[in-house]
Amino acid sequence: QSVLTQPPSVSAAPGQKVTISCSGSSSNIGNNHAFWYQQQVPGTAPKLLIYDNDKRPSRIPDRFSGSKSDTSATLGITGLQTGDEADYYCGSWDNSLSALVFGGGTKLTVL
Amino acid sequence: EVQMVESGGGLVQPGGSLRLSCAASGFSLSTYWISWVRQAPGKGLEWVANINQDGGKKYYVDSVKGRFTLSRDNAKNSVFLQMNSLRAEDTAVYYCASAIAAVDCSWGQGTLVTDSS
Repeated sequence: QSVLTQPPSVSAAPGQKVTISCSGSSSNIGNNHAFWYQQQVPGTAPKLLIYDNDKRPSRIPDRFSGSKSDTSATLGITGLQTGDEADYYCGSWDNSLSALVFGGGTKLTVL
Repeated sequence: EVQMVESGGGLVQPGGSLRLSCAASGFSLSTYWISWVRQAPGKGLEWVANINQDGGKKYYVDSVKGRFTLSRDNAKNSVFLQMNSLRAEDTAVYYCASAIAAVDCSWGQGTLVTDSS
């Protein structure tokens, strides 16, 4: 059971929009920044999509966005492409655990 | 080119030890927190431990406390993860990452640790 809760899977059609939620607590997202990673092939290095809740590295297209409200974070992806099919992970520092925590991951399927 | 390379993985018997290394090139590790993250077969990402710039602060996930030890040698631009009393559940690909939640993060390609049983 992960400290951060994500839906196991989401799906949408090409061109559509999808959101992935990440629910935490006051020990983590509520008082620290959230970040998001994309892993296209399990066993290969993931790619940072969002840091500091809503900031994108310059190499990441603006179809990807992040937001945070209270103890939850959300990743949004617009204009879905088949290449977006991947596993997505949220993360944050947890003050109670003194540990970095990841969500369990969400598998995105672009139908 | 900015690059991080892990090494030291392999087949190990339960109760055995391994020392993973993470070497950086193209940038200095000395200004970054370094994390180790693992991924067991078919599972999600799990943060294992991190170490601050001068090695004075180290944090570990509960499941490895007392068994794994992080260290770093900034002169060699490297970080090390000593893993003792290995268990079957430690089987995973182990990644090192610098600045894991920042814009200038960098990850290695991973090194596989496998339980020989």
